[in-house]
Amino acid sequence: EDKVVQSPLSLVVHEGDTVTLNCSYEVTNFRSLLWYKQEKKAPTFLFMLTSSGIEKKSGRLSSILDKKELFSILNITATQTGDSAIYLCAVEASWGNKLVFGAGTILRVKS
Amino acid sequence: DTAVSQTPKYLVTQMGNDKSIKCEQNLGHDTMYWYKQDSKKFLKIMFSYNNKELIINETVPNRFSPKSPDKAHLNLHINSLELGDSAVYFCASSQDRESIGTQYFGPGTRLLVL
Repeated sequence: EDKVVQSPLSLVVHEGDTVTLNCSYEVTNFRSLLWYKQEKKAPTFLFMLTSSGIEKKSGRLSSILDKKELFSILNITATQTGDSAIYLCAVEASWGNKLVFGAGTILRVKS
Repeated sequence: DTAVSQTPKYLVTQMGNDKSIKCEQNLGHDTMYWYKQDSKKFLKIMFSYNNKELIINETVPNRFSPKSPDKAHLNLHINSLELGDSAVYFCASSQDRESIGTQYFGPGTRLLVL
């Protein structure tokens, strides 16, 4: 069965800290891995990763994929209170064309 | 302009009732999805439609019945509501089946069954 596991489940840091969120997966016919940020409502797209070793960056957020070890990390540097959210990792399994989501990491950034 | 919209935003109802949630997208996308996010924030696919045709039907009780009158709409009807149906239901759409990674999510419908 397709599985996506995120860690930690929750994290509390202070503003300015750097955090690393983890996502490991076991799916059939991997196509891509995605990171989303969910605040009060719908998840919003952050990154899509398809190739190993290529870092994707957007401001203070960056992410990288390791297809050999079947995991991805999401880094957030110089965290701000606005980074407080649930971060969801999802993997696209080509069989069935569906996204399998992890349980999410709840990040709280204290001022 | 709202890309993916859902109604209602909140729904509070009694066990045993039947209710519907509506979803509309104005992006011209071919593929639409329903997800359920439970109290532990686990987001799980329920159904997917491509051009009005059902393509994914996960292990969901048959009290849940999706209906796509046209490719811009995907409604979800739930019969005989149970306490465990309480969750946030998200609709999403993507350009096509191949673009599943770039889905646009609706704002969610928070369902509470009493």
